[in-house]
Amino acid sequence: DADVTQTPRNRITKTGKRIMLECSQTKGHDRMYWYRQDPGLGLRLIYYSFDVKDINKGEISDGYSVSRQAQAKFSLSLESAIPNQTALYFCATSDRGVGAGDTQYFGPGTRLTVL
Amino acid sequence: GENVEQHPSTLSVQEGDSAVIKCTYSDSASNYFPWYKQELGKRPQLIIDIRSNVGEKKDQRIAVTLNKTAKHFSLHITETQPEDSAVYFCAASLNTGNQFYFGTGTSLTVIP
Repeated sequence: DADVTQTPRNRITKTGKRIMLECSQTKGHDRMYWYRQDPGLGLRLIYYSFDVKDINKGEISDGYSVSRQAQAKFSLSLESAIPNQTALYFCATSDRGVGAGDTQYFGPGTRLTVL
Repeated sequence: GENVEQHPSTLSVQEGDSAVIKCTYSDSASNYFPWYKQELGKRPQLIIDIRSNVGEKKDQRIAVTLNKTAKHFSLHITETQPEDSAVYFCAASLNTGNQFYFGTGTSLTVIP
């Protein structure tokens, strides 16, 4: 789904470095999410945003921060990367739904390795 | 918050057989239950979903059932094909927050 893009797709960095992962979408969706995926742990929510002025912590927000620069852009930052933040990171979007829930559209993922 | 458990973690079936993946959830307020398929190296994609006012939903070879009383829901794939091989994730969502809580995934292998 080319409507949700992530940059970079792969990144290797060192402990203590600041890293920013970027997500852009052309779907016009209000809601954006950042997840990390680890083997055997599934997808865990880091942060989510329902509009430009709204930022919410997810299950595992410690060590991460986000910025919603525009409706279409949602960035995830690791202020001081550590090895256990090595994971596959996914951005996702969803539209404002009527009633319960809505389809989430995922980006292609960013594979981050912290040495 | 919500806790979603998914079983089994791995599943191998012969081509043509059926596959069943089960999930349980803890929060009775959850009312939307999607299933995502993730092929190797790809992003998760929605394959089917069910809302709490429905007990069963079918789409060709896949179906999902929901038991609200027992707080569990299942994915059924019939006549499995090699292209069904992937990791499948269940999820649960609350109406108000639209946060999704995912299960830990099931790696399905269909043996030709």
